[in-house]
Order: sequence, then structure tokens, then C-alpha cells
Amino acid sequence: GESVGLHLPTLSVQEGDNSIINCAYSNSASDYFIWYKQESGKGPQFIIDIRSNMDKRQGQRVTVLLNKTVKHLSLQIAATQPGDSAVYFCAENTGGFKTIFGAGTRLFVKA
Amino acid sequence: NAGVMQNPRHLVRRRGQEARLRCSPMKGHSHVYWYRQLPEEGLKFMVYLQKENIIDESGMPKERFSAEFPKEGPSILRIQQVVRGDSAAYFCASSPSGQPRETQYFGPGTRLLVL
Repeated sequence: GESVGLHLPTLSVQEGDNSIINCAYSNSASDYFIWYKQESGKGPQFIIDIRSNMDKRQGQRVTVLLNKTVKHLSLQIAATQPGDSAVYFCAENTGGFKTIFGAGTRLFVKA
Repeated sequence: NAGVMQNPRHLVRRRGQEARLRCSPMKGHSHVYWYRQLPEEGLKFMVYLQKENIIDESGMPKERFSAEFPKEGPSILRIQQVVRGDSAAYFCASSPSGQPRETQYFGPGTRLLVL
């Protein structure tokens, strides 16, 4: 069954503020995590990933934090822009071929 | 370098008809994954294929659904005798070598509506 879920279904932030999207997982065997962004009418777009031997990974304006102790994952977006408005999915992989997606968080950016 | 291509983008079928969804992976990718997404939900894995082989179909319904990835041409997801519950967005993803933890690149999806 599904083992990835999100705390908040929607998140509204002011343009320029930082956004934090959270995700919980329950499968201790998961060792690879991915964040995807999905805009309306489009397929998921890879944002950033992290392996279980890391606690933090940074990309361009995005940071992913992994807390294996409490099985928690978060995506931080710095200086959120209107173009960041989308649904964000966390996903996990246990080293196999299947990627298990969470339910998603919708991010609204207010101008 | 063209991304993953899917067609049609929208498909309308009446109950009992067949739906054929096509996916062309990114250039150089020989591994294809199909996912289904219901409104306001995450993507659910259906099947993973290599050329001429089904590697993992654990997410496929036992009846009416089939998938193939022939030596030549796109991958096909086929749904026979569609029912209203089949209405969803179907996404295809591809990866270069099918290694575990390899990034999958998604197509724009096919939105199937069953009347």
C-alpha cells in the first residue's frame, strides 16, 4: 500500500516569502526520495532528489531536508514566485523500479 | 532533445469501447513506466516495461488493461471495454537504463474521459 503522505493539502504564500512543503513516509526501507512539481495540465517535473545517506540537499532556490528518525521529508522554496504555483508531490523509492507518490500539496503564490 | 511524448492528449470514449494510449520515450531511453492519476490524487504506478519485455506489472488491473513496448514504435497502454472508473490522467515516464533510483522523466499525459 501507499506509504507516502503529505501533511497539508494546500499552502498559500506571499510572493517573495519562503515556502515549506512537508511529507511523511512510513517505509523504513525507502532510501531514495524525489520531489516533483506538477503544473495544471502537465506531467510531473523533477525538482530535486535526495538519498537516505544525506540529510540535506540544495538546488536552485530549493532545498530538500530528510529526517530519517521521524520519517519526514520537506521541500523548501526560497523567494517563492508566481511561477512556483503548482501541485508538489513527494515520492519514494525503495531501490526498485516503482516510485510511490504521495497525494500532493497545492501551492498558491499570492502576488 | 525531445522529451517524453504522449498521444492523444485527450481521449473520449463511451463505455465498452477500447482506449489506446501511446508513449514515445525520450531519445536514448529504453525503459518506460505507466502511471494513473485520479483528480486531486497522486500518481499510481501501473507497469514498467523495457523493449519487448514487461518487467513489473504489479500495478495493473488484472482485467481489461494491457501494455506493450515493441521493438519498434511507441509503448501502448490498452484499455478494453472501458468503464467510467477508468476516467483519469495516464502518464508515461521514461528513464535511460532502468537502474534503481534513476530519475524518471514524465510526458504530458493523456486525459481519458469515459462517457
